[in-house]
Amino acid sequence: EVQLVESGGGLVQVGGSLRLSCSASGFSLDSFAMHWVRQAPGKGLQYVSAISINGGSTYYADSVKGRFTISRDNSKNALYLQMTSLRAEDTAVYYCVKESILVVPAASYWYFDLWGRGTLVTVSS
Amino acid sequence: DIQMTQSPSSLSASVGDRVTITCRASQTITNYVNWYQQKPGKAPKLLIYAASNLQSGVASRFSGTGSGTVFTLTISSLQAEDFATYYCQQSYGDPTFGQGTKVEIK
Repeated sequence: EVQLVESGGGLVQVGGSLRLSCSASGFSLDSFAMHWVRQAPGKGLQYVSAISINGGSTYYADSVKGRFTISRDNSKNALYLQMTSLRAEDTAVYYCVKESILVVPAASYWYFDLWGRGTLVTVSS
Repeated sequence: DIQMTQSPSSLSASVGDRVTITCRASQTITNYVNWYQQKPGKAPKLLIYAASNLQSGVASRFSGTGSGTVFTLTISSLQAEDFATYYCQQSYGDPTFGQGTKVEIK
């Protein structure tokens, strides 16, 4: 079965650190850019971070820049999110997301076609 | 950042109704819009990509249209399993999501 499974969430105090992992099965991660998207309790979706296929290019939302680090290990079919200096507003379910691309003449469209079930991160003061 | 504004924020509808959700971008994004469905406690699921392309395995009652700054997701005949929250997302610039539209049972 093609799926993504996140792990590593939990309860952490303000200022603490946590490392999330995402394991892919049923397909090889090394052909896809990957992302993290989060959702605070009762709120909408918020984009967090992205990493290119070979890990050479990364992107972070302003709200996490300088505190979070995305990485991947294609040999292990895994994606990671190292979170430091955690704040209460980082409390959310974090989803690991696979990107796919539609290529047509003169354009390419990317979208999120596979989501993990998510892992809950709770930052308490 | 490109802002995506969905309307309405919520709606009540009956099984069999035609439902339309609108998403407006703060600048032109041609057709770089995707739509997702999320049920309570579940991960989002891709419905439509590049404004009008139906994701494989998604029911044909879902359709997407639009270009420029205004986009719509239409459910032609609402089914019981369609009661959920729907999000638009732009992929023209740094990705952003709409705030969501909750479709509830009337």
